Amino acid sequence: DIQMTQSPSSLYVSVGDRVTITCRASQIIGRNLNWYHHKVGKAPKVLIYAASSLKSGVPSRFSGSGSGTDFNLTISSLQPEDFATYYCQQTHRIPYTFGQGTKLEIK
Amino acid sequence: QVHLQESGPGLVKPSQTLSLTCTVSGGSIDSEDYYWTWIRQPPGKGLEWIGHIYYSGTASYNPSLSSRLTISVDTSKDQFSLTLLSVTAADTAVYYCARADSGNWYVTLDSWGQGTLVAVSS
Repeated sequence: DIQMTQSPSSLYVSVGDRVTITCRASQIIGRNLNWYHHKVGKAPKVLIYAASSLKSGVPSRFSGSGSGTDFNLTISSLQPEDFATYYCQQTHRIPYTFGQGTKLEIK
Repeated sequence: QVHLQESGPGLVKPSQTLSLTCTVSGGSIDSEDYYWTWIRQPPGKGLEWIGHIYYSGTASYNPSLSSRLTISVDTSKDQFSLTLLSVTAADTAVYYCARADSGNWYVTLDSWGQGTLVAVSS
């Protein structure tokens, strides 16, 4: 299986902060990388697909970058609704594995 | 706007069979562009991809579960299902069904159900 390693696992941040989350794959996955936002009790929601494409309807403060093995999700100015857990997922090879998650918490 | 809804028992005894169904509305399951997917999240842990199925019935499974797992599809009812045999406490999780958009070179889980908690306990 392709292992996905996210860092950090948690981050204490404030509204208005710029936040970057990193995801590293254990082997080359091209641009087959998605980012999801997940709040407890709700369905996860895709933010970024194909490493850097913004899903329709997702605010432009979210952006993704990277290819190969190293990827980033950046939130340019954190909003209250962004406090959640973020997951990367590779869809290069089955099983489509997820990172362990990065939880954004209020500082 | 497609909607997915999981259904099934919330409690299963150890060694028994876990069965869940996902009903798709607002769109047909009979599409060449989508894979119908199951994902789970054990308490306090991250997301685990279980497997997916195409409308034709072709399925792919996570090797860690494949010996106990069957995913099936019923296009006449716009439903797909998960069956997991010989469950243990490690199978306790919130189970999500989702639609994987594979109409382009990339694959994205673009619609998810709300999830259903299944506890394995005697």
